[in-house]
Amino acid sequence: KAGVTQTPRYLIKTRGQQVTLSCSPISGHRSVSWYQQTPGQGLQFLFEYFSETQRNKGNFPGRFSGRQFSNSRSEMNVSTLELGDSALYLCASSYANSGNTIYFGEGSWLTVV
Amino acid sequence: DQQVKQNSPSLSVQEGRISILNCDYTNSMFDYFLWYKKYPAEGPTFLISISSIKDKNEDGRFTVFLNKSAKHLSLHIVPSQPGDSAVYFCAARYNYGQNFVFGPGTRLSVLP
Repeated sequence: KAGVTQTPRYLIKTRGQQVTLSCSPISGHRSVSWYQQTPGQGLQFLFEYFSETQRNKGNFPGRFSGRQFSNSRSEMNVSTLELGDSALYLCASSYANSGNTIYFGEGSWLTVV
Repeated sequence: DQQVKQNSPSLSVQEGRISILNCDYTNSMFDYFLWYKKYPAEGPTFLISISSIKDKNEDGRFTVFLNKSAKHLSLHIVPSQPGDSAVYFCAARYNYGQNFVFGPGTRLSVLP
């Protein structure tokens, strides 16, 4: 079955702009989470959604937001982009409420110039 | 403060031998651990997991050992293959959900 699908794969934005990234989880998965990967900070948890509700949130500023739709697809948005937001943004999904093993998509590479 | 540590940034192993990747954690509340491997420009691929109620889990060439008293886990790959060359991350979670804390990764090179 299809894996986690993220779009777009690559994008370049200018400082101050905003960006929306999309994620389609594995069929049947209802939990979706987002992670940011940078060379300096590694993989860091952004937030998690289950049944359209944000269940957990990492230590990121309010410029980072997300949402989940009734079909479990998710989007994340970053407003007022800063150079330091350049990163690989990874979406992961899992089956159930307990969200044990999470499966990642290929990621969206964001470059802020 | 790093809650999950992988103190070896890199590791080189001969093909056919055992690869041992180590991970240490500081939070005794972590209850579930995962290992991933990652190739450049790809998302992490899940390898194997272990719950805190177990001390060992095997899946094919991969075995994960958990020592709760030492707050240490290790991933054994036997036999190592050149295709195993990648960056390996361990991740830990508490309070269920998907908010895993990842280590910085270890780059494994398997030499033919």
